[in-house]
Amino acid sequence: GAVVSQHPSWVICKSGTSVKIECRSLDFQATTMFWYRQFPKQSLMLMATSNEGSKATYEQGVEKDKFLINHASLTLSTLTVTSAHPEDSSFYICSGDLAYEQYFGPGTRLTVT
Amino acid sequence: AQKVTQVQTEISVVEKEDVTLDCVYETRDTTYYLFWYKQPPSGELVFLIRRNSFDEQNEISGRYSWNFQKSTSSFNFTITASQVVDSAVYFCALSEPGNTGKLIFGQGTTLQVKP
Repeated sequence: GAVVSQHPSWVICKSGTSVKIECRSLDFQATTMFWYRQFPKQSLMLMATSNEGSKATYEQGVEKDKFLINHASLTLSTLTVTSAHPEDSSFYICSGDLAYEQYFGPGTRLTVT
Repeated sequence: AQKVTQVQTEISVVEKEDVTLDCVYETRDTTYYLFWYKQPPSGELVFLIRRNSFDEQNEISGRYSWNFQKSTSSFNFTITASQVVDSAVYFCALSEPGNTGKLIFGQGTTLQVKP
């Protein structure tokens, strides 16, 4: 099956700093990737759709300037959480779309202190 | 409106019991996909099944089986002879209209299988 990796798997950063999370499709090309966040004991919430070579499409209520998404190649999308605050602490999951089926990365646990 | 409802928040069973996880969905589409994912404590989502709306045949894969009923808009998941390793959160998901690739997730059911 198609494999998606994320890096880092966990990160701790100080409030006010920025952190970048990478999502890579290892054995397929993903024109579209999706970014989700998941709070403890809750479901996945779609944050944005990342399209290779164009701007990301953000879901309602997600701050574009805070969560910067770059999809520079068919195998890499990055999510940068800018000026992170403790409330941004969450589990961030990406997925790559292949023939309208999503393959999920292992997730990145972000803790902002 | 598109919606997925998993009414069971938590289920606890003893090993070897059968357990059914319910999923009810709402969609205006005639063509759609339904999914089940498993999320173990490690956090990584594990794909279990994808079902096309035109295929109402029940599916069995080892101890797992799925019952798709369009008439009741349900896509239930049964684990037979549950094992401790089945303990996880299970999500049912529905594809959004228009082939966007987006998924709408239910709230998830936490299954605890006790030895």
